[in-house]
Amino acid sequence: DTAVSQTPKYLVTQMGNDKSIKCEQNLGHDTMYWYKQDSKKFLKIMFSYNNKELIINETVPNRFSPKSPDKAHLNLHINSLELGDSAVYFCASSQGAGLYEQYFGPGTRLTVT
Amino acid sequence: GESVGLHLPTLSVQEGDNSIINCAYSNSASDYFIWYKQESGKGPQFIIDIRSNMDKRQGQRVTVLLNKTVKHLSLQIAATQPGDSAVYFCAENRGRGGANNLFFGTGTRLTVIP
Repeated sequence: DTAVSQTPKYLVTQMGNDKSIKCEQNLGHDTMYWYKQDSKKFLKIMFSYNNKELIINETVPNRFSPKSPDKAHLNLHINSLELGDSAVYFCASSQGAGLYEQYFGPGTRLTVT
Repeated sequence: GESVGLHLPTLSVQEGDNSIINCAYSNSASDYFIWYKQESGKGPQFIIDIRSNMDKRQGQRVTVLLNKTVKHLSLQIAATQPGDSAVYFCAENRGRGGANNLFFGTGTRLTVIP
């Protein structure tokens, strides 16, 4: 009965490769998010989707492309991976795009070598 | 024990003592604030939130205080337990028009000494 799930949990890949991280929520929420957490634990929002529409894009390189096939899923595709992309990526969801608490997934640790 | 949040990223307290974790936020227009707890290898977990029209909110063993004058937020944990050991983040909502756009602080690592 996991609320927000992500796959894979760990991802190790080489520079220049393209990879995807998947996220699903079974909470019936309308809004989903992607965050990046660096090695110093700093957590920064990347994207937000509300009912499959992009509402927040926080100056993320266009190598990162989120895709929301339906409101329960928000996938993150990354092209031409760079060393600096190594981080933990968290998906989250909230009831709506307003002032609601966000529920986070377990994270995907991406390591680019 | 008490921390200054962004400037002192670690806090150690004895089991049973009260903990106070502080956070300074930057945007005077922020209207919603949340405290999250992150245990090792896990995603952030909601603890308590507060809207800008309040200055105090209490949960189970936790209290959040908001001082808008000095843009300061604190999380008080009563009778701290070993299970409270984690990194604690404050987050402020900078979204406009009620939109949810959270900006997180750098976090404070709380260690509870048995």
